[in-house]
Amino acid sequence: GAVVSQHPSWVICKSGTSVKIECRSLDFQATTMFWYRQFPKQSLMLMATSNEGSKATYEQGVEKDKFLINHASLTLSTLTVTSAHPEDSSFYICSAFPGLVNTGELFFGEGSRLTVL
Amino acid sequence: GENVEQHPSTLSVQEGDSAVIKCTYSDSASNYFPWYKQELGKGPQLIIDIRSNVGEKKDQRIAVTLNKTAKHFSLHITETQPEDSAVYFCAACGQAGTALIFGKGTTLSVSS
Repeated sequence: GAVVSQHPSWVICKSGTSVKIECRSLDFQATTMFWYRQFPKQSLMLMATSNEGSKATYEQGVEKDKFLINHASLTLSTLTVTSAHPEDSSFYICSAFPGLVNTGELFFGEGSRLTVL
Repeated sequence: GENVEQHPSTLSVQEGDSAVIKCTYSDSASNYFPWYKQELGKGPQLIIDIRSNVGEKKDQRIAVTLNKTAKHFSLHITETQPEDSAVYFCAACGQAGTALIFGKGTTLSVSS
């Protein structure tokens, strides 16, 4: 199946710093990517929809100025957690569907674990 | 928007038994229903999916059934094995271009 790669897989940072997470579709182009956040023992919660060449669409309750999303190319979307605080510690997972039409079948990256001290 | 409910939250079975996880959804326009398996520290992996024009789909020991009238779908795992132990998520997808909405997950434990 299609491959989605995330980097880094784990990052530890001090409170107040910014952290960038990359999501790449390795063998397909993705006009749309989705960013999810998962707290321990909880489900995946959709944060935002990343659209190539345009602004991301954020879900209610997600601060767009804190979670900056850039989808600069058809194979790369980045999530930057600005001025991270301990409550931002979570598992961040991106996903994408291959092709131009969303058939629903999403492929997920392996996730990026953020720990803010 | 779509809301997906999943039950049970935890499920413990003996090796060789069957396991059933059930989900309901709220948006009648949803037309795609995948199931994901997630192991600790990893991203979700698609294990089976079903579309709204099909009532049942089977892949070896795994099957999914869909009742569009009642707006519920279920995952069935037969002859469970210890390696089936993981967290399973159901999800629903509505209109094209929208994201998947996930249930809260079921932690399946298979003991030998």
